[in-house]
Amino acid sequence: DIQMTQSPSSLSASVGDRVTVTCRASQDVSTLLHWYQHKPGKAPKLIIYAASRLQSGVPSRFTASGSGTEFALTISNLQPDDFATYFCQQSFDVPPTFGRGTKLEIK
Amino acid sequence: QLQESGPGLVKPSETLFLTCTVSGGSIRSSNYYWVWIRQTPTNGLEWIGSIYYTGTAYYTPSLKSRVTMSVDTSKNQFFLRLNSVTAADTAHYYCGRRHSSTWAQFDLWGQGSLVIVSS
Repeated sequence: DIQMTQSPSSLSASVGDRVTVTCRASQDVSTLLHWYQHKPGKAPKLIIYAASRLQSGVPSRFTASGSGTEFALTISNLQPDDFATYFCQQSFDVPPTFGRGTKLEIK
Repeated sequence: QLQESGPGLVKPSETLFLTCTVSGGSIRSSNYYWVWIRQTPTNGLEWIGSIYYTGTAYYTPSLKSRVTMSVDTSKNQFFLRLNSVTAADTAHYYCGRRHSSTWAQFDLWGQGSLVIVSS
């Protein structure tokens, strides 16, 4: 199975900050890499698919980049609603696998 | 929308059975596969399997011997059956939708159902 490693595991930031979360795949996944936002008790939400494509309805302050094994999710101008856990997922190979998540907390 | 339902407590060695109800669209869409994913503190998020509305299903190798997924198109529902459960199967279980495009992203999830395996 392809291992997905996220860093950091947690992050503290303030409203208005810019933060970056990284995801590394144990082998080349091309651009078959997606990012999700998850809040406790809620359904996880797709925010970025295909490494850099913004899911419909997601604010443009979310951007992402990468290909191969190295990927990054950047959130600019953090808003109160953005504090959540973010995880990556590869769909290059079966089984699809996920990162362990990055918990973004308010400083 | 997707909504999971089922018992929150299952005894060891028994069978876990969950239902996912699809609303706001047809489960018969050719654009999607329907999936089950679980989350545990130990293993994080784990894809269990995917099923097409025709009933064709794919399972993760580690659970394949114990898992069956099925679909009822008349009720717009799909199901997860996991046999011979142990404490290690205690998890939040999510149903979801996987786009059938090249990207295969999970573009819709339910809010999850906590299942505890305990006597």
